[in-house]
Amino acid sequence: AQSVTQPDIHITVSEGASLELRCNYSYGATPYLFWYVQSPGQGLQLLLKYFSGDTLVQGIKGFEAEFKRSQSSFNLRKPSVHWSDAAEYFCAIMIKAAGNKLTFGGGTRVLVKP
Amino acid sequence: GAVVSQHPSWVICKSGTSVKIECRSLDFQATTMFWYRQFPKQSLMLMATSNEGSKATYEQGVEKDKFLINHASLTLSTLTVTSAHPEDSSFYICSAITRTGGLQPQHFGDGTRLSIL
Repeated sequence: AQSVTQPDIHITVSEGASLELRCNYSYGATPYLFWYVQSPGQGLQLLLKYFSGDTLVQGIKGFEAEFKRSQSSFNLRKPSVHWSDAAEYFCAIMIKAAGNKLTFGGGTRVLVKP
Repeated sequence: GAVVSQHPSWVICKSGTSVKIECRSLDFQATTMFWYRQFPKQSLMLMATSNEGSKATYEQGVEKDKFLINHASLTLSTLTVTSAHPEDSSFYICSAITRTGGLQPQHFGDGTRLSIL
C-alpha cells in the first residue's frame, strides 16, 4: 500500500527566511503528487500538483515543489515566508487506480516568527 | 473556480441525535465526493467515497450504518452522523473532483466542526 511521510511535525521559521518542507512517498510507480495548506479551523487549499513533465512545479502563494524520482520525494519550498504562511501543510499522493483517492502525510505545522 | 461549500461550519448537539452535513460543489459538477475526518493536530483520514447515483464506498473500519452518505445529485453529497455520541466529535471535511478517472485534484470544503455533548 502507498504511504506518505512528512518527517517534520513542526517547523519554525523567521519571516523573510526560506522554507523547505519535506515529503517522501512509498509507491511502486510514480504517483500524482499534491501539496495542500490548511489554516486553523478551515479546509484544505491546493498549493500545487505534479502529474508529469517538468519536475519543478510552481504553485500559488510563491510556493514551488520539486519531484525527485530517485529519492521518492516531493519537497515544498518558498524563498521568503510571510507571516500569513503560518499553517499546516499536507503532502498527498493520488493513485489513479485507487479511484483518485488521496493518501495524506501526517502534516507539518509551520510557525512564523516576526 | 472549483469551489466546494460545506454546511454547517459548526454544529453542537446532544448525544443521541442525528446530524446532517452538506457538501456542495458550487461551480462544477462533482461525480465523486470524498468525506474525511480529522482529529485535532492529526492528518485527514478518508471515511468514504461517494459517487453520484450509487452507494458510497466506505473505508475499512468506518461504520456505514452510523455515517450515512447520500450523493443524490452532481452537486450535493450529504453525510449524516446517526445517533451521535461524544466520540463522534471531530472535524469533518468533504472534497470533490470533477470527473472520475480524470487527472483532477480534489477540491476541499472548509470543513464542519461537530461537537457532541
